Amino acid sequence: GENVEQHPSTLSVQEGDSAVIKCTYSDSASNYFPWYKQELGKRPQLIIDIRSNVGEKKDQRIAVTLNKTAKHFSLHITETQPEDSAVYFCAASGTSGTYKYIFGTGTRLKVLA
Amino acid sequence: DSGVTQTPKHLITATGQRVTLRCSPRSGDLSVYWYQQSLDQGLQFLIQYYNGEERAKGNILERFSAQQFPDLHSELNLSSLELGDSALYFCASSVESAPTNYGYTFGSGTRLTVV
Repeated sequence: GENVEQHPSTLSVQEGDSAVIKCTYSDSASNYFPWYKQELGKRPQLIIDIRSNVGEKKDQRIAVTLNKTAKHFSLHITETQPEDSAVYFCAASGTSGTYKYIFGTGTRLKVLA
Repeated sequence: DSGVTQTPKHLITATGQRVTLRCSPRSGDLSVYWYQQSLDQGLQFLIQYYNGEERAKGNILERFSAQQFPDLHSELNLSSLELGDSALYFCASSVESAPTNYGYTFGSGTRLTVV
């Protein structure tokens, strides 16, 4: 069935270091891959996304890479800051025609000052 | 404010009861998606409606049902509630049936506590 695996489940980095979160999806028909940031008790917010016809996308300190052959995609955060501390979810679009997202299990990122 | 409105924000109810969660999508969005997030868990897809019609179904229990009304607001009905149903329930909306251009916009969620 449709599945998205996300690693690691928790990640602690020193302020200023980089953080990398990796996801693997199972549905070869998935063509859209958003990343969401969720602060404690708040709603998930879209921070970056990538479509299957693109290998990499960057927006200031965050970037996402996609390897369709391997069904892998990753979130890279550079020069981390304490306000980057949150839970990050990757997602993949579901089976064609349904338009739902399958979410990963989340990564709790802690940026240590 | 994301433009997606969920009410109520908090709900405490007893086991065996029935509750209704409400979601109003952003203006112009036709699709509504419901997700369940249990404590320290990921987002589990429940169901999607597009312009009043059910479009996709996830691991939604038979005790749960949903609908989308002509004004596009949606309601998620949870019945015969169990302790394990305690969770954050998020609604999201998108501008089209295939949200591959803009992604979802989530509401602030309804925190359901079953005691």
